[in-house]
Amino acid sequence: KQEVTQIPAALSVPEGENLVLNCSFTDSAIYNLQWFRQDPGKGLTSLLLIQSSQREQTSGRLNASLDKSSGRSTLYIAASQPGDSATYLCAVYGGTYKYIFGTGTRLKVLA
Amino acid sequence: DTGVSQNPRHKITKRGQNVTFRCDPISEHNRLYWYRQTLGQGPEFLTYFQNEAQLEKSRLLSDRFSAERPKGSFSTLEIQRTEQGDSAMYLCASTLGPDHEKLFFGSGTQLSVL
Repeated sequence: KQEVTQIPAALSVPEGENLVLNCSFTDSAIYNLQWFRQDPGKGLTSLLLIQSSQREQTSGRLNASLDKSSGRSTLYIAASQPGDSATYLCAVYGGTYKYIFGTGTRLKVLA
Repeated sequence: DTGVSQNPRHKITKRGQNVTFRCDPISEHNRLYWYRQTLGQGPEFLTYFQNEAQLEKSRLLSDRFSAERPKGSFSTLEIQRTEQGDSAMYLCASTLGPDHEKLFFGSGTQLSVL
């Protein structure tokens, strides 16, 4: 059974810092991994999608990497801003019709 | 492309009542998911439709829950005889497929059972 873990559960950083969020999964047989952002009381917004054959994806200040063999992904946020404050979730898709989500990392960027 | 739409945004009901939520996916998306999320947790899979066919249903879903997607367009999720433990955010997501596309989520329906 696939399990997804995210560390840390919460993170508070001053504005301008570079930071890394971690996601680990127990079954390496995945098709893809997505990173999402969720603002309080809202739905999720997909940030980056990494296919199983890829090592990383970049979008603006965000960079996500995937090491399928070790069951790990990281989301790197460069030059963090207060507007980046949100919960970040990763989800893996193993071809069994469903995405399995981690519990998220609550990020607060202090001005 | 207006995104995934969910109605209502909030629903307050008394224990024992039935509730129904609606999801309108992005028009060309043939795959639709329902998830449930409680505070501090990640979304938990409930069910999946490919077009009008319900292909996967979580064992967590008791027989009080039912979902439909007539004609492969909008979807409804009904909860019968609601319990306080059903209080959660119910999220709908859609994707085009095949299996390698981004998931697009609606804003969710927040259910409170009193």
